Amino acid sequence: QKEVEQNSGPLSVPEGAIASLNCTYSDRGSQSFFWYRQYSGKSPELIMFIYSNGDKEDGRFTAQLNKASQYVSLLIRDSQPSDSATYLCAVSNGYALNFGKGTSLLVTP
Amino acid sequence: DGGITQSPKYLFRKEGQNVTLSCEQNLNHDAMYWYRQDPGQGLRLIYYSQIVNDFQKGDIAEGYSVSREKKESFPLTVTSAQKNPTAFYLCASSIGPGGNYGYTFGSGTRLTVV
Repeated sequence: QKEVEQNSGPLSVPEGAIASLNCTYSDRGSQSFFWYRQYSGKSPELIMFIYSNGDKEDGRFTAQLNKASQYVSLLIRDSQPSDSATYLCAVSNGYALNFGKGTSLLVTP
Repeated sequence: DGGITQSPKYLFRKEGQNVTLSCEQNLNHDAMYWYRQDPGQGLRLIYYSQIVNDFQKGDIAEGYSVSREKKESFPLTVTSAQKNPTAFYLCASSIGPGGNYGYTFGSGTRLTVV
């Protein structure tokens, strides 16, 4: 079974701080990596994707990928209370996306 | 507007009853997927379809069935053989196979056994 692992949290950060979310995966052949945000009772929404080693920035979000270490991370700068949600890491396994259980983020005012 | 529509939003099932969850997309996506989410859990793959008239079992297909007669539609039936069907069901689609370009999700159906 190909695994995607995330710390369930909750991760609590003060407003304005950087939130760092981490994910490891077991399938060394994976090529596509995604971060989804899910508010309570809602469906996931895509916030970042990354295919190559290194960093990818989009506004306040930065995705980081290290294929050698099988590690993906998401940094959220200037965290806002509206960023409070569960963040799901997803990895393509060749026929579908394999999701982690998610990390709950709480941004406190 | 393009998107995925799931219906109903809430569904109640009696013991021993089959129920069908609807999923329709107008994004012209080839691939469609069904996932189940339990509280505090990630998404688990039930079935997926890469092309019309073809579908494959995912990790937890027992007690479920699907059809893919049209590109736009991928309904999921929860049969009486599914012993613990209470969950949040999510339908997704992607422009290419394998989810390599990410998914667009529907708004979900919350199924409760009464």
